[in-house]
Formats: sequence, structure tokens, C-alpha cells
Amino acid sequence: DAKTTQPTSMDCAEGRAANLPCNHSTISGNEYVYWYRQIHSQGPQYIIHGLKNNETNEMASLIITEDRKSSTLILPHATLRDTAVYYCIASAAGNKLTFGGGTRVLVKP
Amino acid sequence: DTEVTQTPKHLVMGMTNKKSLKCEQHMGHRAMYWYKQKAKKPPELMFVYSYEKLSINESVPSRFSPECPNSSLLNLHLHALQPEDSALYLCASSQGGGDRVGGYTFGSGTRLTVV
Repeated sequence: DAKTTQPTSMDCAEGRAANLPCNHSTISGNEYVYWYRQIHSQGPQYIIHGLKNNETNEMASLIITEDRKSSTLILPHATLRDTAVYYCIASAAGNKLTFGGGTRVLVKP
Repeated sequence: DTEVTQTPKHLVMGMTNKKSLKCEQHMGHRAMYWYKQKAKKPPELMFVYSYEKLSINESVPSRFSPECPNSSLLNLHLHALQPEDSALYLCASSQGGGDRVGGYTFGSGTRLTVV
């Protein structure tokens, strides 16, 4: 799996969009970008994944650059319940999921 | 049912005890996983079962013994653990198959303390 790099931490304001960046400059053509989050003392929660195209679901949007070397997870209207550690993972389909350090996101009132 | 259920939620055991962690899913997923997570660290993969067969063992010490009795159940048998094995143990499942794309569903974990 390709290595991913994320900021260690970031704050965002409640009600505003939260933009979480991830670099994966060595990603292979068959590797997807997955995002998970882990709220304190709970198991990780799948958010979204994508290969080339931008993706949107009820939780978030995933924007992948055309060269696929980086991506951004967007939480459109952050709430206090979105405070969590967010993990960006590059992995081929069917491969094991390997977590990196993630970004600790604090949503402030 | 879209959940992975882990029991017990908390477990305290002595270094000479034998205990088991249990994980159950009824989503028809054919791949199941055990992860270990120390405080303030990311989850680390321990074992992968694919179609009820052990496919990956990440060099885990033999005091941890996984078992997959059927496609819905995954156990982790613990014996002669050390205090440094205290951690949150997470179970996950996914559709499985080398060409399947999709997210993992994680349970809430078992918080294990070895005394």
C-alpha cells in the first residue's frame, strides 16, 4: 500500500466545512483512497472511498486530484460529533487495511 | 443487520488466565479481521481470515490464537498474556475477495487489561 501523509491535527468551527488533506504521491493505479474516522473509544467508521472520480455520500465528499497524488475529504457542515481521528488509507481492492497516524480533528463551537 | 458485535466490552485477566474474545457479524461478509490498538496509536492488523481460512498472520505471538468457527464468527483465544498486551482489540469484517472494493465494518472493540 502507498504511504499517506496527513496533518497531525486541525481545528474547525462548528457549522463550517472541514477540509482534510491527504498526500499519497506514490499511489498505484489500482489503489483506492479510503477514509475512516475513529471517535474516542469506538471502532473506526468507514466514511468513503474513491479511485479517480470525486465521490459524495451522506457523510462526506472526496475530492481526488487528477494526478491522484493527493485528496481532500470534505465534511460539509461540521458538528461537535465529528470530532475524531480521521485516517486516509491508500489500498488496492482486497488488500489488508493499514492505518497511518491520521489527523486529529477538533470541532469547536 | 449492519453491525459487528464484540463481546465482552471490557476484560481484566491475569497473566496465567485463559480467555476468549468473540466477534460476530451477519452481513454475509467473507473476510474478518483482528486489530490491536494501543492508546493514542492507530489500529494494527493482527490476523485476516478469508472464507474462514487464516490468510494473514502479522507475526503475532502464539499467546494469541485466532479461530473462525463459521463465516459469521471470529474468536481470539488469549493465554499467558503480558501486561503490555493490554489494549483495545478490534474486530472488523468486509465483503472479502481479491477484487472486492468496499469498506470494513468495525466493532466497538474489547478493552483488555492484563494484570
